[in-house]
Amino acid sequence: DIVMTQTPLSSPVTLGQPASISCRSSQSLVHSDGNTYLTWLQQRPGQPPRLLIYKTSDRFSGVPDRFSGSGAGTDFTLKISRVEAEDVGVYYCTQATQFPWTFGQGTKVEIK
Amino acid sequence: EVQLVQSGAEVKKPGESLKISCKASGYSFTAYWIGWVRQMPGKGLEWMGIIYPGNSDTRYSPSFQGQVTISADKSISTAYLQWSSLKASDTAMYYCVRHPADFWGQGTLVTVSS
Repeated sequence: DIVMTQTPLSSPVTLGQPASISCRSSQSLVHSDGNTYLTWLQQRPGQPPRLLIYKTSDRFSGVPDRFSGSGAGTDFTLKISRVEAEDVGVYYCTQATQFPWTFGQGTKVEIK
Repeated sequence: EVQLVQSGAEVKKPGESLKISCKASGYSFTAYWIGWVRQMPGKGLEWMGIIYPGNSDTRYSPSFQGQVTISADKSISTAYLQWSSLKASDTAMYYCVRHPADFWGQGTLVTVSS
């Protein structure tokens, strides 16, 4: 199975400041079709997860442009350019390149 | 509008069986993989398995193989997750999700307690 490792596990951030979450996979996430199926999700307290970024860097419809994804191969990053209060929650990376699909442990973003 | 609507919360006893549902609307149900995700209380997300309703191709994550059954009825655009004998450790929130994780159900809370 591909292991997804997120760092940090907790990220206290000042409002208006940037935040960055790293996700590393134990194997390359490049699929045989050439795509890299690395996805970022946000889960606010008491809510289902919500898609932010798919295929490493494509922002989903309606997602604010302060969220961006980057990376390749085994190293990926989610960046929030200026954290807002509504960004509080847990962020997960997940891969769908190889079954079984797997999640990272989650990174809790909170306001300092 | 794409929607995944899950069945309501369940309270069951150990050893009982259960089948929860996820009704899809607003898109071609047979053209997308549907996955089931477990979230135990206060914990992270875990993929349980996936199904392609178009041909019923079903795959299970190793931890869930033999523990649950995933199925789909394309005539009513509904996916299912079922247990034949629940354990207390099955207490969790369960989500259905369309691949590529773009649309999620609201979750079904399953509580197993004697």
